[in-house]
Amino acid sequence: NAGVTQTPKFQVLKTGQSMTLQCAQDMNHNSMYWYRQDPGMGLRLIYYSASEGTTDKGEVPNGYNVSRLNKREFSLRLESAAPSQTSVYFCASTGTGDQPQHFGDGTRLSIL
Amino acid sequence: DQQVKQNSPSLSVQEGRISILNCDYTNSMFDYFLWYKKYPAEGPTFLISISSIKDKNEDGRFTVFLNKSAKHLSLHIVPSQPGDSAVYFCAARSRIQGAQKLVFGQGTRLTINP
Repeated sequence: NAGVTQTPKFQVLKTGQSMTLQCAQDMNHNSMYWYRQDPGMGLRLIYYSASEGTTDKGEVPNGYNVSRLNKREFSLRLESAAPSQTSVYFCASTGTGDQPQHFGDGTRLSIL
Repeated sequence: DQQVKQNSPSLSVQEGRISILNCDYTNSMFDYFLWYKKYPAEGPTFLISISSIKDKNEDGRFTVFLNKSAKHLSLHIVPSQPGDSAVYFCAARSRIQGAQKLVFGQGTRLTINP
């Protein structure tokens, strides 16, 4: 049971480089989410996709773009990475009703 | 402004005793509250939840209490076991366009001592 799969697990970038974080779920969930977690803070919502074909901004969207490629896949792109985007990024998905969000194991991104 | 707060960064409890983790929120529009458990280098995993129309939900060793008038929820773990050592996040949910928007607290690191 893969659940939510994130790639890569680790990445180091230089300031100004671009990067796409991949996320795929195999639970036939409608909604998908991207969060970031910084030390001493909870997870903060970057973008979400309520269903295939829709995306919306969350709490901290600046500097990011997303693509809901199909029902399974939701990618997060950093066009010009900045040191402030050093963080752990989590992808999550959920189905209908009151199902809880299921999370991937994260991508640890360092920007020098 | 932080809508969900966990004011205790860490908690240490002896094995077999009760662990109580606390969480406060400010927005009355949240309709569901969840607790997630997180081990190092893994994603958060769902533990237990409670609807805003209830005041208690129990699942085995885990019980969540909700006090809406005080905008406070707590997670009780009894008896505590070494495998419960992890970071615990509370989260509050609102719905928008069929999706769930979760706001997380900062987390509490629980250590269970043998």
